[in-house]
Amino acid sequence: NAGVTQTPKFQVLKTGQSMTLQCAQDMNHEYMSWYRQDPGMGLRLIHYSVGAGITDQGEVPNGYNVSRSTTEDFPLRLLSAAPSQTSVYFCASRSPAGRSFNYGYTFGSGTRLTVV
Amino acid sequence: GENVEQHPSTLSVQEGDSAVIKCTYSDSASNYFPWYKQELGKRPQLIIDIRSNVGEKKDQRIAVTLNKTAKHFSLHITETQPEDSAVYFCAASTSPAGNKLTFGGGTRVLVKP
Repeated sequence: NAGVTQTPKFQVLKTGQSMTLQCAQDMNHEYMSWYRQDPGMGLRLIHYSVGAGITDQGEVPNGYNVSRSTTEDFPLRLLSAAPSQTSVYFCASRSPAGRSFNYGYTFGSGTRLTVV
Repeated sequence: GENVEQHPSTLSVQEGDSAVIKCTYSDSASNYFPWYKQELGKRPQLIIDIRSNVGEKKDQRIAVTLNKTAKHFSLHITETQPEDSAVYFCAASTSPAGNKLTFGGGTRVLVKP
């Protein structure tokens, strides 16, 4: 049982390049989210999904796309990388309330992205 | 949208003393308030949470209190130990399912032996 798996762990991009951060969970969680973490700013929600085929924007969605074709996978795409997107990215998942008494999100180990 | 403020940003305590971290939120519709602990270089991990129909919740040395009227909630750690040193984040959610979290800026706690 791997939990939430993120790849890659580290990535350096040049300005203007695109890439996809991968996130997969094996807990059959319906809810998945992407957060970015910048120093002194906590975690900010980028996009989230409540199930396969359903996605919605969080508080900082610009420059990012997501899709949710399966319950297990929730990739995050950077369309044209900018230095402002240098951050640590966390994917998280959880079960819907009512299916479990555990409302908490399980986080992946993160992807440290640097855009130069 | 929801805004969560967390204080203090850093907290240094002597081993064995108590630590208290406070968070305020802006949206009175918020109904779920988790606390996460993040050790250096690691992922955030849920340590305790509370829903809006409960005023206090305890788990061993950790407790969370919620004041809905004042729109603030607090994390209390008693008998602190060096392994409690980490960054702690509070969060609030207004969605009925609790799936959209707004996080505070974090508190770096240092427990001195």
